[in-house]
Parts: sequence; structure tokens; C-alpha cells
Amino acid sequence: DTEVTQTPKHLVMGMTNKKSLKCEQHMGHRAMYWYKQKAKKPPELMFVYSYEKLSINESVPSRFSPECPNSSLLNLHLHALQPEDSALYLCASSQDQLGNSPLHFGNGTRLTVT
Amino acid sequence: GESVGLHLPTLSVQEGDNSIINCAYSNSASDYFIWYKQESGKGPQFIIDIRSNMDKRQGQRVTVLLNKTVKHLSLQIAATQPGDSAVYFCAENPHAGNMLTFGGGTRLMVKP
Repeated sequence: DTEVTQTPKHLVMGMTNKKSLKCEQHMGHRAMYWYKQKAKKPPELMFVYSYEKLSINESVPSRFSPECPNSSLLNLHLHALQPEDSALYLCASSQDQLGNSPLHFGNGTRLTVT
Repeated sequence: GESVGLHLPTLSVQEGDNSIINCAYSNSASDYFIWYKQESGKGPQFIIDIRSNMDKRQGQRVTVLLNKTVKHLSLQIAATQPGDSAVYFCAENPHAGNMLTFGGGTRLMVKP
């Protein structure tokens, strides 16, 4: 079992829907990440939060909106998505963003946009 | 058996044999490297990491080798087991700030 918990495991949404992905960790990590992974491809970085502040946005379209309510929680709000946004969305955390430390990943949310 | 990353994305080995998975990284400034294992339906799972001031690091049944001269990373798995079947990704940290960039991945298939 992973120490990073993501909900829901699966999500199907229409292009006009608004939904949110949730991520939680209780390892005391102060950096949290969203990655997107298409089938048979490596994960690609979307956002990084460090000490609850957004530190990196990898030119992600505004239809994806991250939020970090506290040091344990990370959300990804979705609105007006396109079918090509269908992918596995992975949340990860690490001790901090200052030094080199491994990222711990959740099992992801499998998103299908219809 | 040995793979050469993107040129051979699937590596098939016999149970009990040793496996070698290779990765060519792109940024000579990268100072931290990680190998991840991803099983079907799961997120990447940390296997082993290595910093650029080392050229070898060993874990349980796994060894990572780093050759900075040719920007090459390899993962050796001893006595490969069916449970090792998965996709393996190398990842590098090319910038300050712990932002990992993943390589293309290699699928390891273990034949019983």
C-alpha cells in the first residue's frame, strides 16, 4: 500500500463538468506534486507545491487548477476538460523541495473525459 | 539480458536470471537519479536512488550504476522473480528543486 492516498481511483466526466481530484499524505512531507501520465508514457510534471505555496507550474492549461489547503492535502480542480486530457493523474510528495529526496507516489486517478 | 532503453522497450528474462535495464539521461547537470518500478494499475514505486558523487549503490537484489562520463544509468536486478515484472523508469533531477524528469521506460517481463 502507498502512503500517498488519491481519490477517486477512477473518474469519468463530460467536457462541461467540474470535478476535483484529491491527494493526502501523512508523512510530514512539505513538497507535493501533480504528474500526468498517458498510456505507455512516462509521468510528466504539472505542478509543484512547496510549503503549501505553488512553486512550479509547467505551463499547464488553466482548465487544471491546483490547490493546497494544508501541508497534508493537495487537490486538482478540473473544469471544461478535453478528451485528450484523459490520463492517469499521479500525486506525489517528498520531504521538501530543497534537497534531493525521492518522490513517493500515490496510485493515481484514472480520468476519462467524454 | 540487457536492454538499451528506448531502442528496446521490452526486456524478457528467465526467472532466476539477472536483469540489466539501461537508461541514457540527457542533462549533464543532473545530480540525483532514481529508479522507479510501476506495476499495472499502480503508481511508480521507489526502488533505489543515487547521487552524482557516487558511481554505484546497492540495495536488496538491486544495484544502480552511474556513469557520468557517458550520461548512463543502469539498474541490475539479481535473481529476477515473476514479481519483478513491471515497467521500470529512470528519473533525473536536472534542476535545483527536486523536479524529476522521467525517461521513457522499459518493460521487464519475467518468464517462469
